[in-house]
Amino acid sequence: QSALTQPASVSGSPGQSITISCTGTSSDVGGYNYVSWYQQHPGKAPKLMIYEVSNRPSGVSNRFSGSKSGNTASLTISGLQAEDEADYYCSSYTSSSTLGFGGGTKLTVL
Amino acid sequence: QVQLVQSGAEVKKPGSSVKVSCKASGGTFSSYAISWVRQAPGQGLEWMGGIIPIFGTANYAQKFQGRVTITADESTSTAYMELSSLRSEDTAVYYCARDQPSITMVQGVIITTRYWYFDLWGRGTLVTVSS
Repeated sequence: QSALTQPASVSGSPGQSITISCTGTSSDVGGYNYVSWYQQHPGKAPKLMIYEVSNRPSGVSNRFSGSKSGNTASLTISGLQAEDEADYYCSSYTSSSTLGFGGGTKLTVL
Repeated sequence: QVQLVQSGAEVKKPGSSVKVSCKASGGTFSSYAISWVRQAPGQGLEWMGGIIPIFGTANYAQKFQGRVTITADESTSTAYMELSSLRSEDTAVYYCARDQPSITMVQGVIITTRYWYFDLWGRGTLVTVSS
């Protein structure tokens, strides 16, 4: 059982926007701004897409954005492209000085 | 260009131990934090623990306490993860990943701030546990 809850799957058509949620508690997502998002293509290592809730690393498209409200963080991908099809994971620092991951969300671009 | 180079795939018997290495090429290894994240087949990511080499002290996820040991050798810029009492459920790809804490000294006191995001990952090491 993952520490953080994500939907198992989401889908969207090219050009559309989708949002993936990541729900935790006040001991992780709600208590700290150390929420990150990772993209993982099959057989590849995860890639950092968003850090500290809403910051984008250099080289990551501005179509990716992050936010947080209360105990729920969100990743929004606008202008969906075929290459965005992948698994997405959120993570958060916890009050136990550890890191929790969400169970992952499979994004399908229709 | 900094890379994390992991050791090769392993096949182990139940009850045995495995030690996976992660060598940082380039960069300032001592100032990194190295975490180990595993992914069982078809499953999600799971943080196991991490270490800041310059301090040498590791912290672990409760699930793995007592079964995992994470160490680092600054002289070779290499981090290690050893998992003991292996069982079939430990079959997974094991990744090392880097985050970059802020380490400063204020009036003789070392202040460490971790940001808990991994900007660099190794390619992963497949560990298969099978009799």
